[in-house]
Amino acid sequence: QVQLLESGGGVVQPGRSLRLSCAASGFTFRGYGMHWVRQAPGKGLEWVAVISHDGDEKHYGDSVRGRFTISRDNSKNTLSLQMNSLKPEDTAIYYCAKDVGWQGHCDYWGQGTLVAVSS
Amino acid sequence: DIQMTQSPSSLSASVGDRVTITCRASQSISRWLAWYQQKPGKAPKFLIYRASSLESGVPSRFSGNGSETEFTLTISSLQPDDFATYYCQQYSAYAYTFGQGTKVDIK
Repeated sequence: QVQLLESGGGVVQPGRSLRLSCAASGFTFRGYGMHWVRQAPGKGLEWVAVISHDGDEKHYGDSVRGRFTISRDNSKNTLSLQMNSLKPEDTAIYYCAKDVGWQGHCDYWGQGTLVAVSS
Repeated sequence: DIQMTQSPSSLSASVGDRVTITCRASQSISRWLAWYQQKPGKAPKFLIYRASSLESGVPSRFSGNGSETEFTLTISSLQPDDFATYYCQQYSAYAYTFGQGTKVDIK
């Protein structure tokens, strides 16, 4: 069965960096686009970024473009999100999610990892 | 970016009620719309894609409709397991965007 396991969350000071990872299993990772979606405490879902199956195409939400970088290692079935210049408003649960192919919607989600940006 | 607006933001309903949630896009997205269900402390669950296609395993009491800028999610007979927050998401154009959510709770 499809499993997505996020890691790397924690408490970080404003302006610092953090790298999230998502370990994927149960499907052919290299065949699917992958997303990051976040949810601030008590708030709704916010789409963060997507990467194509081969890593050649990447797109970002307006609030993170230029600060966050999505990447993947198909040899290790791992998705990553490098977050730089973190702001308090980046505080959220970050979900890794599998695209149904390269369609734009997600059929499987991880349980999320919490990032808290605070001094 | 395309803005997605859901209404209502919350609603109270009883088991057996028919419930309809509306999602409006700030510009045409054809039928590139998905719906998700989220329960407290859990990851979202995928329900519907392309506005009206039911994901495998999703109960048939869920249905989606609409095109261009106006869409609906209907639960024909609300069940106890359906009390949750529902989100629409457009995937017509980057950056993808979600609606703000509609919380369905028990009357």
